[in-house]
Order: sequence, then C-alpha cells, then structure tokens
Amino acid sequence: GENVEQHPSTLSVQEGDSAVIKCTYSDSASNYFPWYKQELGKRPQLIIDIRSNVGEKKDQRIAVTLNKTAKHFSLHITETQPEDSAVYFCAASIGGADGLTFGKGTHLIIQP
Amino acid sequence: EAQVTQNPRYLITVTGKKLTVTCSQNMNHEYMSWYRQDPGLGLRQIYYSMNVEVTDKGDVPEGYKVSRKEKRNFPLILESPSPNQTSLYFCASSRREYTGELFFGEGSRLTVL
Repeated sequence: GENVEQHPSTLSVQEGDSAVIKCTYSDSASNYFPWYKQELGKRPQLIIDIRSNVGEKKDQRIAVTLNKTAKHFSLHITETQPEDSAVYFCAASIGGADGLTFGKGTHLIIQP
Repeated sequence: EAQVTQNPRYLITVTGKKLTVTCSQNMNHEYMSWYRQDPGLGLRQIYYSMNVEVTDKGDVPEGYKVSRKEKRNFPLILESPSPNQTSLYFCASSRREYTGELFFGEGSRLTVL
C-alpha cells in the first residue's frame, strides 16, 4: 500500500518567516495530495489540495508544489503568523477504494 | 449547519467492556471513515465505507467493527476494548471516495483501563 513520509516532525520559525514542510509518497499511482491543519484540541481541516495534473497551487499565503517524478510534494507558508501554529498533515490517495494515507504530521511553532 | 457529530467525546472504560462510538453526518455523503490518532503516528485509518452496507478494512482494523445500515450513520464498535485502543478517534465523511475534502468530527478521546 501507499506510504507517506513527512518531514520535519517539528518546525520552529520566527513570525514573518516562511515555513516549508515536505512529504514523499511511494505509490506512483497516487493522484490526490491534500494538506490538513489541526489546531490544538481541534479536528483536522483541509487547507489546500493538489491533483497530479497540476504542479503548483496557491491560496493566499499557502502554496503546495508537486514533483511527480521525484514523488514528493511540499507545503509552503509565507509571512507566518501566530495563528499558523498547529500540526500539519500531508496525505496521498490513488482514489477509488483505497483511501487517504496520512503522513505522521509536522508540529509548526511560530515564535514571536 | 453541515457537520459530522461523534459521541461520546470523552470516555473512560475498562478492559473487555463493549462500547460503541457513534458518528452521524448531515451532508448526504456517501463515503465515511474512522481514524485513530496517536502521538508520533499521525492519523491511521481503521475502517471505511463507500456507501450503505459497503464497508472495508483500513490500515489498523484489528479489534474494531463497523456497520453502515443508514447513509448518515457509521458507528465504531469495540467488542472487547484493550488498553492499546486508548486513543483519539475521528470519524470523517466526504461526498465521494476521498479525492475530495474530508470533513472530520470533533473527535472522541477513549481511555481503556
């Protein structure tokens, strides 16, 4: 089955700096790559997703890039703010009946 | 309001005492799933359901059962809970499969003594 590796497990950045979280996947048939944000004590919520026919997608301060050849995708957050502090999960799916496989998560800490 | 509702939110129980965590969604979603979240292990899928009466195992199904008799409900059953099932459980649903947004419930924190 699919295996998703996520790095780093913890990332501390100064407020206003950029943060990058990276994920690799094992199944070349995967075609959907969402990112979820989980604030402390809350449920995970989708923040951005990308499909395999697109190399990059942006939504205000967040962007996701996908390199299908290398089988990795990344989340980029620019101009980080205190409310960006959370655990971020990447995931991959081949669609159909096989489900989303999540990475283990990255705890992003925004230092004031 | 579109939502996924889980109950109970918190539960402490003892080894071997059967329990059920209910999950209900009001978005007419076909796909529903259960995940458990453990420190350092992320979100792992327990069971999922593509539609009524269609369920299948995820990555960590041992010790769990599910049923999908109605489209809106997808209960998680622990027939004989053990301490290694102490975890935070999330139910989730999406419109179709999961090449679309997964909507998560608020989570159920279960402790098995």
